Amino acid sequence: EDQVTQSPEALRLQEGESSSLNCSYTVSGLRGLFWYRQDPGKGPEFLFTLYSAGEEKEKERLKATLTKKESFLHITAPKPEDSATYLCAVIRGGSQGNLIFGKGTKLSVKP
Amino acid sequence: EPEVTQTPSHQVTQMGQEVILRCVPISNHLYFYWYRQILGQKVEFLVSFYNNEISEKSEIFDDQFSVERPDGSNFTLKIRSTKLEDSAMYFCASSPRTGTSGNTIYFGEGSWLTVV
Repeated sequence: EDQVTQSPEALRLQEGESSSLNCSYTVSGLRGLFWYRQDPGKGPEFLFTLYSAGEEKEKERLKATLTKKESFLHITAPKPEDSATYLCAVIRGGSQGNLIFGKGTKLSVKP
Repeated sequence: EPEVTQTPSHQVTQMGQEVILRCVPISNHLYFYWYRQILGQKVEFLVSFYNNEISEKSEIFDDQFSVERPDGSNFTLKIRSTKLEDSAMYFCASSPRTGTSGNTIYFGEGSWLTVV
């Protein structure tokens, strides 16, 4: 069964304290792994797509990496405005848009 | 920046009533989706729609659900006879080309449905 597990469930950081979020997955024929940001009561906001092991993508303070079994979202020197729930999702080969989501990591960054 | 828009933002309905949730996908996108998120739970796939027909659906998307693209811009989700367990945030989404190959899927802000 296809599955996405994110850890930790919640993470509290001080402003400027770098850390990483983990997304472990099992999926038949991975076609892509997505990272989204979700603010309370809002829809997922697209951050990155990764397609193959070894790929890395960066955007401002965020950097996403991918291996054959997991992905990491590295947050460098976070700011309070980075506080949100970060969602990881995968799509398997042959699927027509069926993103399989993890439960997310709720990040709180304190000033 | 183009975005997916959804209406209503919040709807309260009586159990057994029909509900229609509306969405305007991003204008040049070809694939459309509905997802839902029950409070405190994962985002779950319901259905994908391409070329005026359903291309994939989940086990959640049973006979009480239907989707339609009534014109060139709107995409709707109908729930025929709502149940208490249908209470959730419903997200419309769209992607520019095929839903495979990891093509980026963009989400709307959601329609919060409360069934009482």
